[in-house]
Amino acid sequence: DAGVTQSPTHLIKTRGQQVTLRCSPKSGHDTVSWYQQALGQGPQFIFQYYEEEERQRGNFPDRFSGHQFPNYSSELNVNALLLGDSALYLCASSSHRDRGGLYNSPLHFGNGTRLTVT
Amino acid sequence: DAKTTQPNSMESNEEEPVHLPCNHSTISGTDYIHWYRQLPSQGPEYVIHGLTSNVNNRMASLAIAEDRKSSTLILHRATLRDAAVYYCILRDEAGTASKLTFGTGTRLQVTL
Repeated sequence: DAGVTQSPTHLIKTRGQQVTLRCSPKSGHDTVSWYQQALGQGPQFIFQYYEEEERQRGNFPDRFSGHQFPNYSSELNVNALLLGDSALYLCASSSHRDRGGLYNSPLHFGNGTRLTVT
Repeated sequence: DAKTTQPNSMESNEEEPVHLPCNHSTISGTDYIHWYRQLPSQGPEYVIHGLTSNVNNRMASLAIAEDRKSSTLILHRATLRDAAVYYCILRDEAGTASKLTFGTGTRLQVTL
């Protein structure tokens, strides 16, 4: 049973460029969330996708956008890259059936994409 | 989101028990207490969660104070593979299922 997979594992971009990161959720999961983790910090929530729509968004600018495909995989796009966008980008998957209450099931994270902006 | 407070770092000897504390004095009645850990060069990994009663699983135990304002993650016999950053997170029952609010966690060092 494949877990959450992310690609690429590492990426180097120049300030001002655009980047696309990809995520395949765990088998059976239909909800994908993206997190940004700066060095020495905990992950910060960017947004969540379910049924190909953005459902929740954290405190990130519009330069950060995403997409979810019919097979539940997802992309994170960042435009006009800044040096401060250098971070580990994590994808997490879950199932909409497992919300709260009795279930409150865990999120499954991938190992992330390390983005360096120079 | 309710906040948690954890020590920045802790140390333990291998095969000794480890007690990782977490304070959450503003916890609401519908908040579950979740613990995740992040090993070096990996994404966070779920460890355990609970609401009011103490919980056990194959990885750890979670002891929750009677007033729910604090909790303790217990690793019964630490190994070198348990060296990681441990995050204590409050998660609303209402199901903002994907939005976890991480703090800076506790970095656990395990030595021989």
